[in-house]
Amino acid sequence: DGGITQSPKYLFRKEGQNVTLSCEQNLNHDAMYWYRQDPGQGLRLIYYSQIVNDFQKGDIAEGYSVSREKKESFPLTVTSAQKNPTAFYLCASRDSLSNQPQHFGDGTRLSIL
Amino acid sequence: GEDVEQSLFLSVREGDSSVINCTYTDSSSTYLYWYKQEPGAGLQLLTYIFSNMDMKQDQRLTVLLNKKDKHLSLRIADTQTGDSAIYFCAASLRHSTLTFGKGTMLLVSP
Repeated sequence: DGGITQSPKYLFRKEGQNVTLSCEQNLNHDAMYWYRQDPGQGLRLIYYSQIVNDFQKGDIAEGYSVSREKKESFPLTVTSAQKNPTAFYLCASRDSLSNQPQHFGDGTRLSIL
Repeated sequence: GEDVEQSLFLSVREGDSSVINCTYTDSSSTYLYWYKQEPGAGLQLLTYIFSNMDMKQDQRLTVLLNKKDKHLSLRIADTQTGDSAIYFCAASLRHSTLTFGKGTMLLVSP
């Protein structure tokens, strides 16, 4: 089945550690996005990529890094510089060439031990 | 930048219609969306409307857009308990980056 897979579903991090969240899609979408969701809040854009080997900062990029080495993969690293990393992280993708809307994965919940 | 506002909570009885409202600030937004989020899950795209349309209907869902007032609504007919979820309104230019509201929690009671 085609879709967007985020793994793991739950992730725990010790303070001071970097952690990487996986996002893979087999929809042949060119654009991919990372959002952060906090309780009672809407989604806020962290980073996005419209083409392989290129990405742009969103509204809250500080303390995060990404890479886009392959079209189907857009991993997000939460670095130790992110002081409040506990949140629900959502990955999305879309086919920008045919002007389609974004579709989302099932999310990863990150907690600090 | 764009700002999207929506009411935080709506409670209805099963079988009634639900209307969730949303306002946005940027008149250049070309697409407006409704997404549904169930507990612990990602967002499911319900429907979207292009800014040159006034209304879009898809089975039990009706979207109304008042571009002059920058007001969007989602009507769910014959609301069921399975419709209980958080509903997000979002706006974008050309489907690119989305600006989300904080979500409306819909509670449907039997």
